[in-house]
Amino acid sequence: QQQVKQSPQSLIVQKGGIPIINCAYENTAFDYFPWYQQFPGKGPALLIAIRPDVSEKKEGRFTISFNKSAKQFSLHIMDSQPGDSATYFCAASTNAGKSTFGDGTTLTVKP
Amino acid sequence: DAGVTQSPTHLIKTRGQQVTLRCSPKSGHDTVSWYQQALGQGPQFIFQYYEEEERQRGNFPDRFSGHQFPNYSSELNVNALLLGDSALYLCASSAGTGTEAFFGQGTRLTVV
Repeated sequence: QQQVKQSPQSLIVQKGGIPIINCAYENTAFDYFPWYQQFPGKGPALLIAIRPDVSEKKEGRFTISFNKSAKQFSLHIMDSQPGDSATYFCAASTNAGKSTFGDGTTLTVKP
Repeated sequence: DAGVTQSPTHLIKTRGQQVTLRCSPKSGHDTVSWYQQALGQGPQFIFQYYEEEERQRGNFPDRFSGHQFPNYSSELNVNALLLGDSALYLCASSAGTGTEAFFGQGTRLTVV
């Protein structure tokens, strides 16, 4: 049973565009929702994270929107750059720390 | 701060062999989690160690075992390797029960 569903699988935008990646979860015990960026051959790097008591969080060009009632959250990347081309993973975890990941979104930002 | 370090970076093993992967957590972190990432998929949780004990375990067989040492470093052992065990193995560390986890670069295991 996949507990975190991520979409789209791949995404292509022009430089300066705003790619949006969506995730949905099932387990209401999840209380921490991070996003990770992964480049080929590297481990995932934490980008930004949110807890369910907040509906939106912004850090630099990255924004998380969170809808607790719909059990959905999304990542927006403002003014996207070619250097943002990577695979992005959403995840959900409980306070105990075990994280469940989505299947990833491969983002390509064209110059 | 060296961050989370894993060794080796790449490894090739034969089916049926055993392998040990190593992880040193980020300075100040005492909790280590291990993940398996197959090509084109998200990381899958294997288990988590805290205070030298396995605290949580994902849906992996007993062939996967681990250990945490007093200095918080950790090992992942896989016995009786299968071709399907080929993957990137990731170690993540965090502070106590905190959920902000930092990942290492991983060990790429290929089973032939």
